[in-house]
Amino acid sequence: GENVEQHPSTLSVQEGDSAVIKCTYSDSASNYFPWYKQELGKGPQLIIDIRSNVGEKKDQRIAVTLNKTAKHFSLHITETQPEDSAVYFCAAEASYDKVIFGPGTSLSVIP
Amino acid sequence: EPEVTQTPSHQVTQMGQEVILRCVPISNHLYFYWYRQILGQKVEFLVSFYNNEISEKSEIFDDQFSVERPDGSNFTLKIRSTKLEDSAMYFCASRRQGYTGELFFGEGSRLTVL
Repeated sequence: GENVEQHPSTLSVQEGDSAVIKCTYSDSASNYFPWYKQELGKGPQLIIDIRSNVGEKKDQRIAVTLNKTAKHFSLHITETQPEDSAVYFCAAEASYDKVIFGPGTSLSVIP
Repeated sequence: EPEVTQTPSHQVTQMGQEVILRCVPISNHLYFYWYRQILGQKVEFLVSFYNNEISEKSEIFDDQFSVERPDGSNFTLKIRSTKLEDSAMYFCASRRQGYTGELFFGEGSRLTVL
């Protein structure tokens, strides 16, 4: 079955700097790659997603890139703000009804 | 804004007891899920449910677990005989579209097994 790896597990950046989180997946049939943000005491919330027919997608300060050949995808957050501090999960879904999450990255943005 | 609601927010139970966690998915959603998160660890897929049937389940979802949609609004997860290692946060999620649709998560039910 699908396995998603993610690194780093923790990331600390100064406010205004960029943050990059990288993920790899194992199932070449995976075609959908969402990113979720989890704030303390809450459930994960989708922040951006990308499908396999697209190499890059951007939404304001957040961008995702996908390399299907290498089976890896990345999240880029620019101009980080303290409210970006949270746990971020990458995930992958193949052609069946199962979204598999990576282990998470705890991002701290230092004011 | 519509949201997924879960009850109870926290349940404490003795090992061996049965537990039912309840979820009310977003009303026009057709696909339902349970995930669990052991403290500080990854969000693990348990089961997906569509059209009153299990679509997919993980190896964690053994015979001790069951899911049900007893009426038009609730979606439940039952653990028949809880073990210490079942202690975790359980998240319910739903989505309108199956494959590649956005998952909407509830705030979770924390289960503590003593």
